[in-house]
Amino acid sequence: EAQVTQNPRYLITVTGKKLTVTCSQNMNHEYMSWYRQDPGLGLRQIYYSMNVEVTDKGDVPEGYKVSRKEKRNFPLILESPSPNQTSLYFCASSFRSPDQPQHFGDGTRLSIL
Amino acid sequence: GQQLNQSPQSMFIQEGEDVSMNCTSSSIFNTWLWYKQDPGEGPVLLIALYKAGELTSNGRLTAQFGITRKDSFLNISASIPSDVGIYFCAGLNTGTASKLTFGTGTRLQVTL
Repeated sequence: EAQVTQNPRYLITVTGKKLTVTCSQNMNHEYMSWYRQDPGLGLRQIYYSMNVEVTDKGDVPEGYKVSRKEKRNFPLILESPSPNQTSLYFCASSFRSPDQPQHFGDGTRLSIL
Repeated sequence: GQQLNQSPQSMFIQEGEDVSMNCTSSSIFNTWLWYKQDPGEGPVLLIALYKAGELTSNGRLTAQFGITRKDSFLNISASIPSDVGIYFCAGLNTGTASKLTFGTGTRLQVTL
């Protein structure tokens, strides 16, 4: 089954404790992206990747890092999480570019205390 | 960054009614997309529009790419309870970057 898998689905942690949210897709997609969703603000793009070893900033990259060492994986790293990064995070992938149908994961709800 | 204003923010309608929502941008987009998000899930693509003036349907859904390329519209005809969710527009300008900008969403509630 074609899918985008995010882990963990839920996480409560404390300020400053490094964390990684993993994202994996099994569709051989080139394009992958991370979004955060906050009430009243919709989805905002954090980082995206056009292919292996090619990543670029979205609209809200501050406080986040990503890597794309393999085509299927696109982890999101919070080196020193802060409370303003409490949010619902979605990973998505599409075949080659974001104007093609993006498959979204089920989301990761992060709470930073 | 670019801003997409979506309206209305929320709608409460009765089953069987038609729904209209729109999205406006301060800048031009080459592609407009409409997504729906069901509670507890990620968004799912409904319709993609690639040309100014384009009108595209997907079942009871119809979307239009505005002539100015700064707006887009989504209509849902004869709404049913499973139409409940949040509808997002998204714009893409491939001329500058492959960043997708989402609107703030329209929350749709359908009453029986």
